[in-house]
Amino acid sequence: GQNIDQPTEMTATEGAIVQINCTYQTSGFNGLFWYQQHAGEAPTFLSYNVLDGLEEKGRFSSFLSRSKGYSYLLLKELQMKDSASYLCAVRDGDYKLSFGAGTTVTVRA
Amino acid sequence: IAGITQAPTSQILAAGRRMTLRCTQDMRHNAMYWYRQDLGLGLRLIHYSNTAGTTGKGEVPDGYSVSRANTDDFPLTLASAVPSQTSVYFCASSDFSGGAADTQYFGPGTRLTVL
Repeated sequence: GQNIDQPTEMTATEGAIVQINCTYQTSGFNGLFWYQQHAGEAPTFLSYNVLDGLEEKGRFSSFLSRSKGYSYLLLKELQMKDSASYLCAVRDGDYKLSFGAGTTVTVRA
Repeated sequence: IAGITQAPTSQILAAGRRMTLRCTQDMRHNAMYWYRQDLGLGLRLIHYSNTAGTTGKGEVPDGYSVSRANTDDFPLTLASAVPSQTSVYFCASSDFSGGAADTQYFGPGTRLTVL
């Protein structure tokens, strides 16, 4: 089975930076995904890492360390619209995605 | 508009009734997936199909069945609904190639309540 852990909730101020950590233990590894999900909506793709290192996409960056089974999603210059749940998902050796329970980020003015 | 559609948007169902959730994609993706999302548990894979004509079981397949007669459609059937199947159901698709990104794209979801 898969074991993916991320914090349940985080709160930050508008304009600040927040880092969401994700640790995983899976049978095989074929990439790690981050999704954003606003309340009552579908998850939408944010980022993908398969090699160690940092991937930057505008205000969002994602980091991966395969040897440590660790990733983080960095959200910079937070905006109110960034209030959402952020899902860490790992693709295993069978190319199936396993999701963490999600981290709810609340951005306060 | 390209994407994935699901129907119905929401449904209240009596226990013991049969229900089919519909999912259609127009992106010509070869792989499709059904997940359920429950509070505190995240998304869990119910069934998947890597290509038309084939299906496979995910993490929580019991009580559900699927079929994949063509590329675009992937219906999920609850043969005899039970209250524990109350959940939000998401359909997803991807251009499965076993390679690099193979990003999954999600439909808007169906909120199902079984009483």
